[in-house]
Amino acid sequence: AQSVAQPEDQVNVAEGNPLTVKCTYSVSGNPYLFWYVQYPNRGLQFLLKYITGDNLVKGSYGFEAEFNKSQTSFHLKKPSALVSDSALYFCAVRIVLVSGTYKYIFGTGTRLKVLA
Amino acid sequence: NAGVTQTPKFQVLKTGQSMTLQCAQDMNHNSMYWYRQDPGMGLRLIYYSASEGTTDKGEVPNGYNVSRLNKREFSLRLESAAPSQTSVYFCASSETGYTGELFFGEGSRLTVL
Repeated sequence: AQSVAQPEDQVNVAEGNPLTVKCTYSVSGNPYLFWYVQYPNRGLQFLLKYITGDNLVKGSYGFEAEFNKSQTSFHLKKPSALVSDSALYFCAVRIVLVSGTYKYIFGTGTRLKVLA
Repeated sequence: NAGVTQTPKFQVLKTGQSMTLQCAQDMNHNSMYWYRQDPGMGLRLIYYSASEGTTDKGEVPNGYNVSRLNKREFSLRLESAAPSQTSVYFCASSETGYTGELFFGEGSRLTVL
């Protein structure tokens, strides 16, 4: 079955330190991978995506993600965390259905807490 | 730009009552989706609509119906609400055929007593 896993429910990091939020996937074919962020009582906001090309993808708010095909991973990273980065982060993969339409599968989310 | 607009933002129902969640997008997207978000379970797809006039079931369609009224609007109906449907519901849209991301509404928090 096609799926996305976020192995950590919560990640704590000190402000100014680098952060990593992990994501692994299981899909057939070439994956289209996404990261979204959700602030309290808000909808999800797009951060970045990997479609093809360079394995290091840069996105909004200084975030980047590294696609690793051999490890089927797409970890979210930031060199220096801010308290304002504290939020819920979701990894997602887009799959193509037989009908030619698209469906997005989400991980269970990782809560990032940046400590001042 | 409004993006994706959902109404209502909050609703409390009694078991057995019915209600409709409304969603509209102004980005001229073909595809629209309804998700529910529950603690520890991430987002689960309820129904989606690849284009105007078509709808398909997602992972958790039982107890729900949808209508793609036109290209802009995609509504979710609970015919007889149950406590298990207490959740936060998100509508999203995307452009079919494009390697694009989903755009989400702000969510509708539903409590069924």
